[in-house]
Amino acid sequence: AQKITQTQPGMFVQEKEAVTLDCTYDTSDQSYGLFWYKQPSSGEMIFLIYQGSYDEQNATEGRYSLNFQKARKSANLVISASQLGDSAMYFCAMRGEAGSYQLTFGKGTKLSVIP
Amino acid sequence: EPEVTQTPSHQVTQMGQEVILRCVPISNHLYFYWYRQILGQKVEFLVSFYNNEISEKSEIFDDQFSVERPDGSNFTLKIRSTKLEDSAMYFCATIRGGASGELFFGEGSRLTVL
Repeated sequence: AQKITQTQPGMFVQEKEAVTLDCTYDTSDQSYGLFWYKQPSSGEMIFLIYQGSYDEQNATEGRYSLNFQKARKSANLVISASQLGDSAMYFCAMRGEAGSYQLTFGKGTKLSVIP
Repeated sequence: EPEVTQTPSHQVTQMGQEVILRCVPISNHLYFYWYRQILGQKVEFLVSFYNNEISEKSEIFDDQFSVERPDGSNFTLKIRSTKLEDSAMYFCATIRGGASGELFFGEGSRLTVL
């Protein structure tokens, strides 16, 4: 069984500052993948970034980067230069063995960007 | 442009009625997934569909749910007799062709059962 833990129900960040959203995971699978999604108040689920368990480099997508620490089983999302439009719920999720996209989601972190 | 388009964006129905939610990919995807999110709760996996067959399903996906690809392009989720607890956002998702690992969600269909 897989488990995702997001310990920060809510976070505040000043506009233009960087922020780290925490995610730890638990799995017995050797191969797995980690995802981050953004859910604005309108409800859609927006893909941000993906990290495979065998990827040696941390994933980056524009202002988003994933700080992957395999030994600690953590996959924190770093958002640089926060913008007001970054205010949203952020979900960490994982999938198990290769080929399965039955994702397990965390409870999410609500990020509020302050002008 | 989203990988998949979902309709309707919002549906209100009476308990016991049948509901069909639709998902249309922008290109020829083979893998489809349905997830749901009850208001304020986690996103939960329902079912995966590959090559016109269910490949995985969760405990939530009981006999009142069904999926099909009626015309080779649309992908539907049917709830036969809706219950109050079926009120949720339902997301269709797919994998972008050639991309490793990325699972893209549609914009969701919000179902309200009265």
